[in-house]
Amino acid sequence: GIQVEQSPPDLILQEGANSTLRCNFSDSVNNLQWFHQNPWGQLINLFYIPSGTKQNGRLSATTVATERYSLLYISSSQTTDSGVYFCAVGGWSSGTYKYIFGTGTRLKVLA
Amino acid sequence: DAGVIQSPRHEVTEMGQEVTLRCKPISGHDYLFWYRQTMMRGLELLIYFNNNVPIDDSGMPEDRFSAKMPNASFSTLKIQPSEPRDSAVYFCASSLGGVAFFGQGTRLTVV
Repeated sequence: GIQVEQSPPDLILQEGANSTLRCNFSDSVNNLQWFHQNPWGQLINLFYIPSGTKQNGRLSATTVATERYSLLYISSSQTTDSGVYFCAVGGWSSGTYKYIFGTGTRLKVLA
Repeated sequence: DAGVIQSPRHEVTEMGQEVTLRCKPISGHDYLFWYRQTMMRGLELLIYFNNNVPIDDSGMPEDRFSAKMPNASFSTLKIQPSEPRDSAVYFCASSLGGVAFFGQGTRLTVV
C-alpha cells in the first residue's frame, strides 16, 4: 500500500526562525493535503496541494508529484505555530482509493 | 456553515457497553470520513463514504465497529461491545473537491 513518511519527526525552533518540513510518499497520488493539529487537538487544513506551489501568509507548500515529495515551509515562526503537522495523501492501491496520513512532525516554537 | 459537528465531545463508558458517535458533515460535501487517533497508531482511516455509500471500510478494526450514513447530513459510528483498547479520539471529516475539513473529535474512554 501507499507509504507516507514525514521528516523530521520533531523540531524545536526559536521564535522568528524558518523551517522546512518534508513529506515523502511511495506511490503516485492525486490528493495531498497538509494539516496542523494544534495543542488542543484540532486538525486545521493548511493546503490542498497535489502538485505545484501555494502560499498563505507565512506558510507555503510545494509538491513535486513526479518525485513523490512535498515540502511545507514556515517562515518567521511564532509560538502559535507549535503543534503537529501532518501530510495526508490520496491515491489508488489494489483497486481501492486510499487516504493515508503520515506520522507527523511535532514542532515546538520557543519564545 | 458551522463546520463539521461531532457529538459527544467526550464519552466515558464501561467495557461492554454500546457507544454511538455522531457526525454532521458540512452541507454540500460529498465525502465523509471516520478516523481514529491514538498515540501508538497515529491517525487511522476507519471508513469513508461517497454520496452516503460506504466505499472503503478496510480500516474498521473488527466486527464490533459499524458505521452508517442514512442521509447526506448525518453519520454514526457505533462500537458494540466497547473494550478498553477502543479508547482514542475519533474524528469525522467531510470533503468536497478533495479538500477535507475535520470536526473537533470525540474523546472516547472505555474503562
